[in-house]
Amino acid sequence: QQQVKQSPQSLIVQKGGISIINCAYENTAFDYFPWYQQFPGKGPALLIAIRPDVSEKKEGRFTISFNKSAKQFSLHIMDSQPGDSATYFCAAGKAAGNKLTFGGGTRVLVKP
Amino acid sequence: GAGVSQSPRYKVAKRGQDVALRCDPISGHVSLFWYQQALGQGPEFLTYFQNEAQLDKSGLPSDRFFAERPEGSVSTLKIQRTQQEDSAVYLCASSFGVGISSYNEQFFGPGTRLTVL
Repeated sequence: QQQVKQSPQSLIVQKGGISIINCAYENTAFDYFPWYQQFPGKGPALLIAIRPDVSEKKEGRFTISFNKSAKQFSLHIMDSQPGDSATYFCAAGKAAGNKLTFGGGTRVLVKP
Repeated sequence: GAGVSQSPRYKVAKRGQDVALRCDPISGHVSLFWYQQALGQGPEFLTYFQNEAQLDKSGLPSDRFFAERPEGSVSTLKIQRTQQEDSAVYLCASSFGVGISSYNEQFFGPGTRLTVL
């Protein structure tokens, strides 16, 4: 059962452009929504996370937008750089729990 | 060490062989997680330890999968009678406390890539 659906599977953006990745979840009990960045041969690394009591969170060039009623959240990468080329995963979990449910991933390529 | 380490990094097994994958979490981390990442997919939860106690093994796909963390530090994921569908990257993560939040970040190791022939 895929509880977190992520789109698109891949995207190509020019340097300086905006990358947008979307996720939708089903379980209304989820209350923690992180985004992870993964480079080839490495494990995922936490990028930014949000709780459902806020609609937006910004850290540097990365912004999460959260729509609780639609059960959707998205990652925006502003001023995309070639070093941002990686696979990005959204995830969801219960803060009082012990597991994260990941989306299928989005492979981002930033062209110089 | 500075981060989570896993060994071996690559493992090739013939179908039917048993394998053991090791995870060295960050020192002092209470929580330890195992995930399975199939090619081109997101990680899927396998099991969770709080110190030496295995509190959640709901993600283990079959009784051929077994994990342990006997002294609350190093953990081993064992797969018996490996099958081709077991081919994946097995990720280990650890966190300082319990629960899931930005204040209790899960730090992932580089993974072990298992290929079953």
